[in-house]
Amino acid sequence: AQSVTQLDSQVPVFEEAPVELRCNYSSSVSVYLFWYVQYPNQGLQLLLKYLSGSTLVKGINGFEAEFNKSQTSFHLRKPSVHISDTAEYFCAVSVGDDKIIFGKGTRLHILP
Amino acid sequence: EAQVTQNPRYLITVTGKKLTVTCSQNMNHEYMSWYRQDPGLGLRQIYYSMNVEVTDKGDVPEGYKVSRKEKRNFPLILESPSPNQTSLYFCASSLNSGGTQYFGPGTRLTVL
Repeated sequence: AQSVTQLDSQVPVFEEAPVELRCNYSSSVSVYLFWYVQYPNQGLQLLLKYLSGSTLVKGINGFEAEFNKSQTSFHLRKPSVHISDTAEYFCAVSVGDDKIIFGKGTRLHILP
Repeated sequence: EAQVTQNPRYLITVTGKKLTVTCSQNMNHEYMSWYRQDPGLGLRQIYYSMNVEVTDKGDVPEGYKVSRKEKRNFPLILESPSPNQTSLYFCASSLNSGGTQYFGPGTRLTVL
């Protein structure tokens, strides 16, 4: 069965430091990959997605992610975080049967 | 304005009392989906719909029903709610399962 694993439930990082949020998936078929962000008390919005083509995907707010097929990973990165990046981040996978599977989320805490 | 609306936003009910949470989108999207969000579990897909009259089970369909009689609407029905269905529910829509999902604002349901 397909699954998505976000390896860290919480990540503390100092303001202006770089951050990487990790996501691994398991699937025997081609997938579409997504990162969504949920700011406090809000719904989710798309950060970026990978459908095909270049494995390095750039999204909103300075985030980017790299699709690594051999390691079945889709890690999210930002070179310098801001206090406004405080949120919960979800990795998601859409597989061939049109289901969408989300990871359990990673809370990003920005320290002053 | 392109949006997904859900009603009600907050609902407190008692065990066994049938309820419906409505979801409507104005973007002519074919794919619609319901999720529940629980602490530590991320988002889990309840049901999804590829188009009118086409629905399928997600990962946690037990205790829920859906219908898709019109393209814009995708109501979630709890025939006999139980306390373990207390959760935050999100409706989402997209062009297809590989497209960007647009989320509604959420419905916080409490079943006593």
